[in-house]
Amino acid sequence: DQQVKQNSPSLSVQEGRISILNCDYTNSMFDYFLWYKKYPAEGPTFLISISSIKDKNEDGRFTVFLNKSAKHLSLHIVPSQPGDSAVYFCAASRGFGNEKLTFGTGTRLTIIP
Amino acid sequence: GAGVSQSPSNKVTEKGKDVELRCDPISGHTALYWYRQSLGQGLEFLIYFQGNSAPDKSGLPSDRFSAERTGGSVSTLTIQRTQQEDSAVYLCASSVTSGRIEWTDTQYFGPGTRLTVL
Repeated sequence: DQQVKQNSPSLSVQEGRISILNCDYTNSMFDYFLWYKKYPAEGPTFLISISSIKDKNEDGRFTVFLNKSAKHLSLHIVPSQPGDSAVYFCAASRGFGNEKLTFGTGTRLTIIP
Repeated sequence: GAGVSQSPSNKVTEKGKDVELRCDPISGHTALYWYRQSLGQGLEFLIYFQGNSAPDKSGLPSDRFSAERTGGSVSTLTIQRTQQEDSAVYLCASSVTSGRIEWTDTQYFGPGTRLTVL
């Protein structure tokens, strides 16, 4: 039972354009959502997060949008840079007191110079 | 400062053998998590330690898996009688507990231990 789904295993985007990565979830108890970025042979690194009380959070080139009614979130990267090439994982938790993360299967983003 | 470290980075073992994987969390982090990533899968939660509280073991796939955290710092994940389906990258993460209920504290991951069971 995959509670967090990333249906696109890979995505290629031209440098300078917008990258949009999508994530869907099924568990309505999730209260907090995160995006992690992973390079080969390294552990995931935290990128950006959003609480369920918000619908948008922005940090520099990265913006996360949350649509609770659709149980959908997306990560926008603009402008995309070659260093953004990595695997991106969407994750969710039930928040304070229940912080274990449920991850999606990841989307491999390739930025084409 | 130093991040989360894990050892060994790679471990190849024969089916039926026991293995121990080690995690050194970031100093001062009270929460420690173990996850694993099997081929083509997302990260799967295994176990969670928070301070002196009883660990959340709800993600451990079988009783062959166990973990302990000594002195609130270093953690060891032990897999007994390894099976081929145990082959995966085992990741450890730690976080500081802010106590703020409106968010989840950021988890910082180590580089992982790649376990191969032949």
